[in-house]
Amino acid sequence: GDSVTQMEGPVTLSEEAFLTINCTYTATGYPSLFWYVQYPGEGLQLLLKATKADDKGSNKGFEATYRKETTSFHLEKGSVQVSDSAVYFCALNLQLSGGSNYKLTFGKGTLLTVNP
Amino acid sequence: KAGVTQTPRYLIKTRGQQVTLSCSPISGHRSVSWYQQTPGQGLQFLFEYFSETQRNKGNFPGRFSGRQFSNSRSEMNVSTLELGDSALYLCASSGVGAGKSPLHFGNGTRLTVT
Repeated sequence: GDSVTQMEGPVTLSEEAFLTINCTYTATGYPSLFWYVQYPGEGLQLLLKATKADDKGSNKGFEATYRKETTSFHLEKGSVQVSDSAVYFCALNLQLSGGSNYKLTFGKGTLLTVNP
Repeated sequence: KAGVTQTPRYLIKTRGQQVTLSCSPISGHRSVSWYQQTPGQGLQFLFEYFSETQRNKGNFPGRFSGRQFSNSRSEMNVSTLELGDSALYLCASSGVGAGKSPLHFGNGTRLTVT
């Protein structure tokens, strides 16, 4: 079945370090891909998205490129800040045959802690 | 524009009781989805409602049910609570349906079952 695998956390970095959180997926069709972020005590917020192969999503200095050949959507940021400390979720959204039926699948989340 | 509002923020119940959680979506959004979040299982999809009709359902037992009202507000009910139901329950709304537009999440209801 459809699934999302993201790197196990926690990830601990110093401020201004480079961040990569790996995400790979398995899907039978052509999903849209998302990264959501959850700050402490809050719900999830959409960080960025890509709807087709080779699309690059970007927001707040974060980027991820939809790689169909490697079925990946790795999240990167060149210089992290303390305020980026949160849990990051990779997700895929697959529209099933016809109508409004869909399947949204989340990875298990990666906790990122950025130290000053 | 007000965001997704979930009430209450925290609940403590005992095994065997039932509980009702409430979600008010962003104004104009007709789709409401519910998720259960636990440290072990991550985010698991419960169900989605669109225009008062359940459109999708996850793999949860029948003790978990929901409904949506004509103003798009949604409630989720869990009957005969078990210890394993302790979790953060998240509600998310979207404009034209969760399959076609991004989800906007509330801050969740933290349910503790003792």
